[in-house]
Amino acid sequence: GAVVSQHPSRVICKSGTSVKIECRSLDFQATTMFWYRQFPKKSLMLMATSNEGSKATYEQGVEKDKFLINHASLTLSTLTVTSAHPEDSSFYICSSRLAGAEQYFGPGTRLTVT
Amino acid sequence: QKEVEQNSGPLSVPEGAIASLNCTYSDRVSQSFFWYRQYSGKSPELIMSIYSNGDKEDGRFTAQLNKASQYVSLLIRDSQPSDSATYLCAVKLPGGTSYGKLTFGQGTILTVHP
Repeated sequence: GAVVSQHPSRVICKSGTSVKIECRSLDFQATTMFWYRQFPKKSLMLMATSNEGSKATYEQGVEKDKFLINHASLTLSTLTVTSAHPEDSSFYICSSRLAGAEQYFGPGTRLTVT
Repeated sequence: QKEVEQNSGPLSVPEGAIASLNCTYSDRVSQSFFWYRQYSGKSPELIMSIYSNGDKEDGRFTAQLNKASQYVSLLIRDSQPSDSATYLCAVKLPGGTSYGKLTFGQGTILTVHP
């Protein structure tokens, strides 16, 4: 399977600050990457689809001004959580899509907002 | 009705037994189906994909798809304690506009006891 990395793996930040999470596709060029959020004991919730060279497509109910996504190259997508609040604390996971439909996930970033 | 439904479990099986995980989906035009394994605190790992009716085997895992019944299952033979995890069923709708978006079930917790 494909290799996807995320950085950082864990971050603690203060309320009101912004946090940037990087997602890298290490062994293939990904025109499409996805960002998910997962709360404890819940399933994955798709936040947005990140397309290289164009604006991200956000799911209903996800604030695009709060969760900024940039997909500037075929191997890197970033998610910035702006003005973070404690309710944004969650497990954020990115994935990259190979040709076809298979998605491979990064290891995830655990965000804690104090 | 949820788009992808799984029994949340927990499903408990003894070591060496067959574990059977089930998933139903609501959209008849779905074409691609995936099973992911997620260990506690980790991101999902793709273990099986299936696209056509019938069985697909890979080692101890067998995926079964019945599009007429809108049903996909995962069998794990010779279950091991290391198979204890949450298993997520994911479905992809056809069409380029979805950018390969997956819809996930809520996951089934599997516990394999020695």
